[in-house]
Amino acid sequence: EVHLVESGGAVVQPGGSLSLSCATSGFTFDSHAMHWVRQAPGKGLEWVSLISWDGTSSYYADSVKGRFTISRDNSKASLFLQMKSLRTEDTAFYYCAKEVGGSGTQPLDFWGRGTLVTVSS
Amino acid sequence: SYVLTQPASVSVGPGQTATITCGADNIGSTSVHWYQQRPGQALVLVLHDDTVRPSGIPERFSGSNSGNTATLTISRAEAGDEADYYCHVWDSRSNLVVFGGGTTLTVL
Repeated sequence: EVHLVESGGAVVQPGGSLSLSCATSGFTFDSHAMHWVRQAPGKGLEWVSLISWDGTSSYYADSVKGRFTISRDNSKASLFLQMKSLRTEDTAFYYCAKEVGGSGTQPLDFWGRGTLVTVSS
Repeated sequence: SYVLTQPASVSVGPGQTATITCGADNIGSTSVHWYQQRPGQALVLVLHDDTVRPSGIPERFSGSNSGNTATLTISRAEAGDEADYYCHVWDSRSNLVVFGGGTTLTVL
């Protein structure tokens, strides 16, 4: 059974930094692209970033480009998101999601339950 | 940037057919995926590549995609179908993932 468990969410001040993790199990991690998607409380989904199966390619939403960095450790079946220069508008639940394929262009067939990041002074 | 437009809400009676649209310029030329989000639960992929149901998704869920509109159709709607639904595409021009704004389905 596939499991995705996010962690690392916290309350952080504007301008601060935070790192999120996503521990996975139940599938061949290094065969699949992985994504971060966020959802502000009461709002819709916003795609944040993706990383290819081998970590050689990554893409970012314009809203986070230059501030967030996605990475993965295939030996530990884990996905990460480093966030810096955080803004109040980054407040959201952050979900990691597994892609069907390895490149970033395919559907997301499994999702975690999310971790809450609150940016507030 | 590529924008996917969904109605904010759709309401149907039990047993009726719910239709949720996802509109964008020439969306029919790309593959559309659909997700269901029930309160407090993980998101679920209910349809991918326009019309394909993943294992475990009832046959009541179907889809189409042509021209400027993709559609998720839920036949014989049940109370358990009440959820938010999101469409998703890969925008090959910008190399970005795009989600629609989401549609809240109410079965009353």
